[in-house]
Amino acid sequence: DAGVIQSPRHEVTEMGQEVTLRCKPISGHDYLFWYRQTMMRGLELLIYFNNNVPIDDSGMPEDRFSAKMPNASFSTLKIQPSEPRDSAVYFCASRLVGGNEKLFFGSGTQLSVL
Amino acid sequence: GQQVMQIPQYQHVQEGEDFTTYCNSSTTLSNIQWYKQRPGGHPVFLIQLVKSGEVKKQKRLTFQFGEAKKNSSLHITATQTTDVGTYFCAGSGKYGNKLVFGAGTILRVKS
Repeated sequence: DAGVIQSPRHEVTEMGQEVTLRCKPISGHDYLFWYRQTMMRGLELLIYFNNNVPIDDSGMPEDRFSAKMPNASFSTLKIQPSEPRDSAVYFCASRLVGGNEKLFFGSGTQLSVL
Repeated sequence: GQQVMQIPQYQHVQEGEDFTTYCNSSTTLSNIQWYKQRPGGHPVFLIQLVKSGEVKKQKRLTFQFGEAKKNSSLHITATQTTDVGTYFCAGSGKYGNKLVFGAGTILRVKS
């Protein structure tokens, strides 16, 4: 298996622009998580899905952020409009329900908003 | 809400020295997981502890889960340069699937 796949690896954009981050979870995994990592705040859980349904979005910073999971093999995290304080590494992770609840992380998207 | 505190924030050791990072939760955890993130990389799962007082070993790494299931530790014996990275603990509560991460401990090893 190729693991969790995220795209793009790097994104540089200007303030006010729309940014879309993409994630393909591991096939068969039924949980998908979006995390944001910064030096100041560490790894923050933004939202997670179970069987494509958003379960908890309490970590989403504000209305500028939205996430979707139209099917079991694809999810997006959108920021509109983007701001410099959104600059961070965004990780997608997936896992399978079962005895071992370990997360498999993608390589992340390094977002820079100028 | 659930909070997970981790100390120290940073540790710089001489190769061959031991290293320990500690994790404390504000609430009782159903389980605790440990991850390692190499510089420029992504978090990679190391282990999960579930039982009160549980101790697990992976070669030079020893993981413990406290009796009250509110704290945990990771101990590395005789560090090597390959141990460099950030070590995170992450806990989930009784009913949740949310994994809350500690701030991480950055380990640097001098050879």
